[in-house]
This record gives sequence, C-alpha cells and structure tokens, in this order.
Amino acid sequence: EVQLVESGGGLVKPGGSLRLSCAASGFTFSSYSMNWVRQAPGKGLEWVSYISSSSRYIYYADSVKGRFTISRDNAKNSLYLQMNSLRAEDTAVYYCARDTGYGGNSIFDYWGQGTLVTVSS
Amino acid sequence: QSVLTQPPSVSAAPGQKVTISCSGSSSNIGNNYVSWYQQLPGTAPKLLIYDNEKRPSGIPDRFSGSKSGTSATLGITGLQTGDEADYYCGTWDSSLSVVFGGGTKLTVL
Repeated sequence: EVQLVESGGGLVKPGGSLRLSCAASGFTFSSYSMNWVRQAPGKGLEWVSYISSSSRYIYYADSVKGRFTISRDNAKNSLYLQMNSLRAEDTAVYYCARDTGYGGNSIFDYWGQGTLVTVSS
Repeated sequence: QSVLTQPPSVSAAPGQKVTISCSGSSSNIGNNYVSWYQQLPGTAPKLLIYDNEKRPSGIPDRFSGSKSGTSATLGITGLQTGDEADYYCGTWDSSLSVVFGGGTKLTVL
C-alpha cells in the first residue's frame, strides 16, 4: 500500500525557517517524481515545487522561489521542503504528492495527509 | 487568482448529472493533459481523472472527463450525497509549473 506521511509542520514566526519531511513507503520511491502542494485555510490548491526522481529537475512556484528548497533522499525514501524567510501568506496545509506523470504531464496519484504550517508572531 | 478558471460552485439533485468546467490557455490545457481531483471535507485530494479522460482503478464510471482546445470538463452522473466535495482541475504549464483551478464546490441538494 502506497503511503506518504508528512511531518515537520508547526507554528513559526515571520522570517523564520521550517523543514518539512515526507516519508514514503509501499512503492519504489526512487522511480517517481514528487511534488509539494499547499492549501491555505479555506482556499484552493497551490502547487509549490517539483523534483524529478533523480533530483535532476527541480521547479518552484514563483511565490516560493528563492525561499524554499526541495530535496530528496532516495536511500531514505524521503522528500523534504526547506522553508526559509517564511511569511504569513505561507500559512497552509502542505501535502506531498507522488507524480506519475511523464513528458511534462503531471498526475498526482497519491497524496499524504498533510502537515499544517502556521506563520504568525 | 488561479491560472485555470472553474465555477466556484455547482449544485444538482441526487441522481442527476452535473458538469464542472475548467478554462485555461494554450500554455497549459491547450498543450497538456488535464487531471481532476476530488477533495472531500477535511481530507487530502484524491485523483479522479488523468490524461483528460482516464479513470484510476477504483473510480466509478459515473465520473468522466473530456478536453477541447483550452478547456476541460468533468462530468458526474447519478449524483450521490457522498459526491459533495471540492473538485480541482490541474495541468502542467509551459512556465515549468503545475497549475490548478480555483476549485468548484459541489452541493448535492
């Protein structure tokens, strides 16, 4: 059974940092691209970042470029999101999602349960 | 303001049919496949449709997808109260990003 379990969320002050983790199991993690998607309270889905299976290709939403860093450790079946210079507008539930798409296609076939990040003084 | 445009809400009676539209441009829907996601209250999104019209294993054929030009449509027939959820379209964009619609809240009256 495919499982994605996020952790690392919490309350942080504006300007602070946080590192999210996503533990994957039930599939060959190193064969899949992964993404982070967030959802602000009461709002819609917003894609945050993409990383290819080998980490060769990495993309970010403009809203987080230069502040967030996506990475993965295939030996540990884990995905990460380092978030720096956090702002109030970064407050959201952060989901990791497996991407089974190809050739520029994006298909998020499995999602974690999400971890809440709250940026507030 | 989302890159893809969806109606904020749709509603229909149990047993009826509803469609949800998703409008984009040549930089996203026009040249890429569309996926649809269902998010039940308080839960993570779930893949409903991929490659414009394909259903993952376990998704009933009451759910269908189509695409024409720069727009896509999700159809749901035989509506059930359990279908009440938020529905999102998503696709790849030429700006090297994934874009989602703003979401559509389905109410089964």
